[in-house]
Amino acid sequence: DAGVTQSPTHLIKTRGQQVTLRCSPKSGHDTVSWYQQALGQGPQFIFQYYEEEERQRGNFPDRFSGHQFPNYSSELNVNALLLGDSALYLCASSNWAYGETQYFGPGTRLLVL
Amino acid sequence: AQSVSQHNHHVILSEAASLELGCNYSYGGTVNLFWYVQYPGQHLQLLLKYFSGDPLVKGIKGFEAEFIKSKFSFNLRKPSVQWSDTAEYFCAVTLPLDDYKLSFGAGTTVTVRA
Repeated sequence: DAGVTQSPTHLIKTRGQQVTLRCSPKSGHDTVSWYQQALGQGPQFIFQYYEEEERQRGNFPDRFSGHQFPNYSSELNVNALLLGDSALYLCASSNWAYGETQYFGPGTRLLVL
Repeated sequence: AQSVSQHNHHVILSEAASLELGCNYSYGGTVNLFWYVQYPGQHLQLLLKYFSGDPLVKGIKGFEAEFIKSKFSFNLRKPSVQWSDTAEYFCAVTLPLDDYKLSFGAGTTVTVRA
């Protein structure tokens, strides 16, 4: 039973570029949430997808957008990258009907130069 | 806005010592409470969770946490730590109508010396 997988593991971009991160949820899960974890801080909620729609959003600008596909996998897109976007981006999956407990992937480490 | 405070940034212990990590949250209503752990080089894993019922919750690897509603606290404990407990520990909460939005504390780094 595969857990949550994310790709790529590491990424280096320059300011102003765009980036796409990918996530495959744990088997049996249909809900994907994205979090940003800056160095030395706890994860911050970006948004959550269910049934291919954004259901909730945290306090992040519109430069952060996402998508969920029919197979429940998800993408996080960040446009016009800033130095401050450097962080570990975590994907978490859960089952909408059974709720509450989220399972996290290993994350994508993004460095913006 | 919901906030979570973890009192200790870094805790250093010797093996067999007892561990207690503090966690306080700011929301006055019903909350769901979690402790997650991140071992070096590994992803976040759920240690334990509290939704309702017995305020003393037992989790994996000998950890437990006590929910004290009057103190808005959910402290994590382990009677005797091992070197393998070296990790970063995060307290998190969700609101009942906001189940998918985990609000995390800043984390506590625990270093256990052999």
